[in-house]
Amino acid sequence: SAVISQKPSRDICQRGTSLTIQCQVDSQVTMMFWYRQQPGQSLTLIATANQGSEATYESGFVIDKFPISRPNLTFSTLTVSNMSPEDSSIYLCSAADREGTEAFFGQGTRLTVV
Amino acid sequence: GQNIDQPTEMTATEGAIVQINCTYQTSGFNGLFWYQQHAGEAPTFLSYNVLDGLEEKGRFSSFLSRSKGYSYLLLKELQMKDSASYLCAVKDSNYQLIWGAGTKLIIKP
Repeated sequence: SAVISQKPSRDICQRGTSLTIQCQVDSQVTMMFWYRQQPGQSLTLIATANQGSEATYESGFVIDKFPISRPNLTFSTLTVSNMSPEDSSIYLCSAADREGTEAFFGQGTRLTVV
Repeated sequence: GQNIDQPTEMTATEGAIVQINCTYQTSGFNGLFWYQQHAGEAPTFLSYNVLDGLEEKGRFSSFLSRSKGYSYLLLKELQMKDSASYLCAVKDSNYQLIWGAGTKLIIKP
């Protein structure tokens, strides 16, 4: 199993600013993912963070708004740029190996933009 | 397109049994997961099925039929703490997880 430390756990930010969320895994993992979850709704995949190459973004999400870094097999960051109140949500990082039988989650970051 | 369907909400009584169904249509199949998520918390892993049949783990069991694109999560001896959302997810041919919208389970005394 893997343990994921995600920080910050919550933040209140001013519109127009940026927030970087960090995700540290206690073991090397092949795949890392960033999700957004609105209250009462399921997980929406933002992007897959690839080690050594650019992230792969899902429809509706772009690199300029959500730049992602993955410098090694245990760490990734997601930046929410030029924030607006619509970006208020819970952001979750997840890690898994391709053939793994479990995906692991960080504790989530509750972001409020005012 | 890829699609995971599960009921939006279910209600059950403490001590009873409940079955949460999940049907899926995905590009490829590399396993099906069930996760539990309490409000305000991250999802926690419950089960993984890649072969047809029933996997039992304590009060929770998960069933898979690949030919029917169908799974269910069975919860026995329900407790109030089981009130949560239950998420079904399928790992597709690209090894990405496709998530259902989740089933909110309400347990009544």
